[in-house]
Amino acid sequence: DVKVTQSSRYLVKRTGEKVFLECVQDMDHENMFWYRQDPGLGLRLIYFSYDVKMKEKGDIPEGYSVSREKKERFSLILESASTNQTSMYLCASSYRNPSYEQYFGPGTRLTVT
Amino acid sequence: AQTVTQSQPEMSVQEAETVTLSCTYDTSENNYYLFWYKQPPSRQMILVIRQEAYKQQNATENRFSVNFQKAAKSFSLKISDSQLGDTAMYFCAFMKLDNNDMRFGAGTRLTVKP
Repeated sequence: DVKVTQSSRYLVKRTGEKVFLECVQDMDHENMFWYRQDPGLGLRLIYFSYDVKMKEKGDIPEGYSVSREKKERFSLILESASTNQTSMYLCASSYRNPSYEQYFGPGTRLTVT
Repeated sequence: AQTVTQSQPEMSVQEAETVTLSCTYDTSENNYYLFWYKQPPSRQMILVIRQEAYKQQNATENRFSVNFQKAAKSFSLKISDSQLGDTAMYFCAFMKLDNNDMRFGAGTRLTVKP
């Protein structure tokens, strides 16, 4: 079974803190994604990576950065957390061919106070 | 840009009954993929069913089937013999053929009542 894991299920941070969200997949997938999920808005793509050290901006990259130093690991970084970044963050991975499904992690619910 | 619309924020159905969730999308592409994902409460999102736009035959996976109307840009999900475990958020998603940019609808919260 494909496994996508995220470092935390729940996280509480203060405004201005630097926040790291980690995602690891065990299926040798080329692609990895970070989404933000908000009620009434569905999932919105923050960044995705199609290879090690490669990244592409999604719809809402402002205030976020990413890092992919190893194929299995994709990190989302909030350089200076703000209250409007309180949300559910979902990581996903897939094979390079777009027809393949994306496999999702359990999500990290981040609260910024 | 592609957009995906799910017009039903919430729905409910009695156990063993049939329910249909609606999804429409907007695109100028001719070839693409469509997906329905399920997110159970506090559990991971999983793929329910996938449809390739170039295939005329509607996809089916056990109790789940789709009604794909390409000209109308409509992609509804039918769940037959609903079970309590079908209670979840359901997301419709669109993906172009040449990239991995998946667009999601806002979701429909389905509750199956005993």
